[in-house]
Amino acid sequence: DAGVIQSPRHEVTEMGQEVTLRCKPISGHDYLFWYRQTMMRGLELLIYFNNNVPIDDSGMPEDRFSAKMPNASFSTLKIQPSEPRDSAVYFCASYSGPPYEQYFGPGTRLTVT
Amino acid sequence: AQSVTQLDSQVPVFEEAPVELRCNYSSSVSVYLFWYVQYPNQGLQLLLKYLSGSTLVESINGFEAEFNKSQTSFHLRKPSVHISDTAEYFCAVSDRNTDKLIFGTGTRLQVFP
Repeated sequence: DAGVIQSPRHEVTEMGQEVTLRCKPISGHDYLFWYRQTMMRGLELLIYFNNNVPIDDSGMPEDRFSAKMPNASFSTLKIQPSEPRDSAVYFCASYSGPPYEQYFGPGTRLTVT
Repeated sequence: AQSVTQLDSQVPVFEEAPVELRCNYSSSVSVYLFWYVQYPNQGLQLLLKYLSGSTLVESINGFEAEFNKSQTSFHLRKPSVHISDTAEYFCAVSDRNTDKLIFGTGTRLQVFP
């Protein structure tokens, strides 16, 4: 298996632009997680899905952030409009049932100037 | 609520020396415990896990961790570190009542020649 796939690996954009991050989970995994990692705040869970349905979005920082999972093999995290404080590495992870061993993608490094 | 405490944010050590990275958790129910490793510019990778049974678990690259229920700890140890072990290490916990992993803040292990 190719593991969790994320694209793009790097994204540089200007403040105010829309950014879309993409994730393909491991085939057969029915849970998908989006995390954000920064030096200041560490690793933060933003939102997670089970069987394509959002279960907990309490970590989404504000309305500028949205996430979708239209099918079992694809998810997006969108930021509109982007701000410099959104600069971070965004990770996607997936798993299938207990014991909740998550498999992480390589991350997308987002820089908002 | 569950929580994970990694007491040391950074651990500097010389090559071939032993190392211990500390992890304590709080949970009122039976837990699963994990250590993840993050090499520079990469995603998190599972290093080892405790699910049940023997309280001492080992990884393929010489790390081991011991589940201590009375002290609610899951410390990570290696008797002799290599330069290539330089990375950030995250302790995580989940229980049978939640879909999520709760991560600690991470410990940066820096191995010097």
